[in-house]
Amino acid sequence: DQQVKQNSPSLSVQEGRISILNCDYTNSMFDYFLWYKKYPAEGPTFLISISSIKDKNEDGRFTVFLNKSAKHLSLHIVPSQPGDSAVYFCAASLGGSQGNLIFGKGTKLSVKP
Amino acid sequence: GAVVSQHPSRVICKSGTSVKIECRSLDFQATTMFWYRQFPKQSLMLMATSNEGSKATYEQGVEKDKFLINHASLTLSTLTVTSAHPEDSSFYICSARTGTSGGDEQFFGPGTRLTVL
Repeated sequence: DQQVKQNSPSLSVQEGRISILNCDYTNSMFDYFLWYKKYPAEGPTFLISISSIKDKNEDGRFTVFLNKSAKHLSLHIVPSQPGDSAVYFCAASLGGSQGNLIFGKGTKLSVKP
Repeated sequence: GAVVSQHPSRVICKSGTSVKIECRSLDFQATTMFWYRQFPKQSLMLMATSNEGSKATYEQGVEKDKFLINHASLTLSTLTVTSAHPEDSSFYICSARTGTSGGDEQFFGPGTRLTVL
């Protein structure tokens, strides 16, 4: 049973618009969440994270929102750029930033010029 | 940023042979390294966690005798797939974490594509 779910395998967005990537989780004990970006033939690279004590974290064009009651988090990218085209993985941890990561299946984002 | 390398990037082998994959942290010392496996259209699944100088901790369902992990130094961990079979064909990715107060982030290698014929 998958504890971290990314229900949209792909998303297509026009350049300059907002990209919203969604992630749902089932374990209410998760206390740390991360987003990774992955290009083909490369390993995932860390993008942004959020602790369960917060509901929003922002870093430049990237903002992660956490809704604990809904067990839902989302990554907003605005404005989207063609270079953002990649697979985005949501991950959750039970041990804070030191915990092992449980990944979703990923969402492939395509940003069209 | 911190760089993690993996070698080889791609390997094709015959069924029954053993394959060794290396994971190196190039510009930092990794007290903890992780090995993941990813099947097509699936999530990254943690296989095992290894700390330098100690035995690896395997996730449930991962055979420790089949997937041998050695973390002999602070910059190198190896995963050996013993007696590989076609069902072991997958994308194997390692990650490394410094474990220092400087950060808990995991830095990922580029992955190794294993194909067992």
